[in-house]
Amino acid sequence: NAGVTQTPKFQVLKTGQSMTLQCAQDMNHNSMYWYRQDPGMGLRLIYYSASEGTTDKGEVPNGYNVSRLNKREFSLRLESAAPSQTSVYFCASSMAGGPGYEQFFGPGTRLTVL
Amino acid sequence: GESVGLHLPTLSVQEGDNSIINCAYSNSASDYFIWYKQESGKGPQFIIDIRSNMDKRQGQRVTVLLNKTVKHLSLQIAATQPGDSAVYFCAENLGSDYKLSFGAGTTVTVRA
Repeated sequence: NAGVTQTPKFQVLKTGQSMTLQCAQDMNHNSMYWYRQDPGMGLRLIYYSASEGTTDKGEVPNGYNVSRLNKREFSLRLESAAPSQTSVYFCASSMAGGPGYEQFFGPGTRLTVL
Repeated sequence: GESVGLHLPTLSVQEGDNSIINCAYSNSASDYFIWYKQESGKGPQFIIDIRSNMDKRQGQRVTVLLNKTVKHLSLQIAATQPGDSAVYFCAENLGSDYKLSFGAGTTVTVRA
């Protein structure tokens, strides 16, 4: 049982390049999330997927797109990377939303945009 | 805008002492609060949560207190150990089951 896995662990991009961050969970969770964490700040929600087949914007969705590929996988895409997107990205999953449903986090992807 | 914040960015604690980490929130609509622990290079890990209809909740060596009158949340760690060294975040749900708002975090350092 690996929990939440993310690939890659590290990535360096040039401004304007695109890339997809991958996330998978093996806990049969319905809900999945993408957060970013900047130095000195808490996590901010980019997008979430309440259940397979649905996605919704979080607090900071601009510049990102997501795909809930199936129940296990939730990817985050940067179409044209900008230096402001330099951050650590965390994927999380939970059985459902709301009180009592703990979110489990992956180890993160450290992204640098030059 | 409304947000969750922590009073102090750092806290140094002697091993064996109790730790108290504070958090202020301003969104009166929030009805659920969570504390997370993040060790260096890892993702956040759930510690304990509390609903707005409660004032106190206890876990293993941890206690969360909620004061809705002054919109204040605290995490108490009993007999702090070196393994408790980490960044601690409080988070609130902004009236949505899926949207959590995180504070900036408090870095706890345990002195031997």
